[in-house]
Amino acid sequence: SQKIEQNSEALNIQEGKTATLTCNYTNYSPAYLQWYRQDPGRGPVFLLLIRENEKEKRKERLKVTFDTTLKQSLFHITASQPADSATYLCAHNTNAGKSTFGDGTTLTVKP
Amino acid sequence: NAGVTQTPKFQVLKTGQSMTLQCAQDMNHNSMYWYRQDPGMGLRLIYYSASEGTTDKGEVPNGYNVSRLNKREFSLRLESAAPSQTSVYFCASSDSAGVGNSPLHFGNGTRLTVT
Repeated sequence: SQKIEQNSEALNIQEGKTATLTCNYTNYSPAYLQWYRQDPGRGPVFLLLIRENEKEKRKERLKVTFDTTLKQSLFHITASQPADSATYLCAHNTNAGKSTFGDGTTLTVKP
Repeated sequence: NAGVTQTPKFQVLKTGQSMTLQCAQDMNHNSMYWYRQDPGMGLRLIYYSASEGTTDKGEVPNGYNVSRLNKREFSLRLESAAPSQTSVYFCASSDSAGVGNSPLHFGNGTRLTVT
């Protein structure tokens, strides 16, 4: 079965720098990958989706890439701010609607 | 517009007790889901309902039952709670389970402790 691996449990960076989070998948190439943000005590909130045939997607300070050769998606936050501190989850969606989530990477942006 | 509402927010049960977790969405979504989230194990799908009147098992369905009461509501029942069911439970909805690019909208969870 498909497995989603987010390599880093925690990432600490300085305000203003670019945060880069990694999501790797095993087995087959997912049709879609989604990225969510989760704050403590809250449910995940959808951020971005990238399709298999898209190499890159952007939304404001966020950028997601999808490399089917490396079986990897990268999630970038440019000009990071302390308010970006949260746990970020990568999810693979099948067309049956069942999503497989990674364990998440907790980002801390220090002022 | 409340989105996805879950009740209760917190619950403590003794082993063997039963309870129902409630979930309602006001976005007119077709599909609804129940996940549990445990440290180090991420979000795991318990059951889902692709549309009103249908339910299917997810990755970890044992010990749970669900009811899709109507398009808005999807409940999760623990018939005989066990300590292994201590977790945070999230309900989610999406426009369509048949389309993989449909994002999930989550509630804020029910924190359940079974002693």
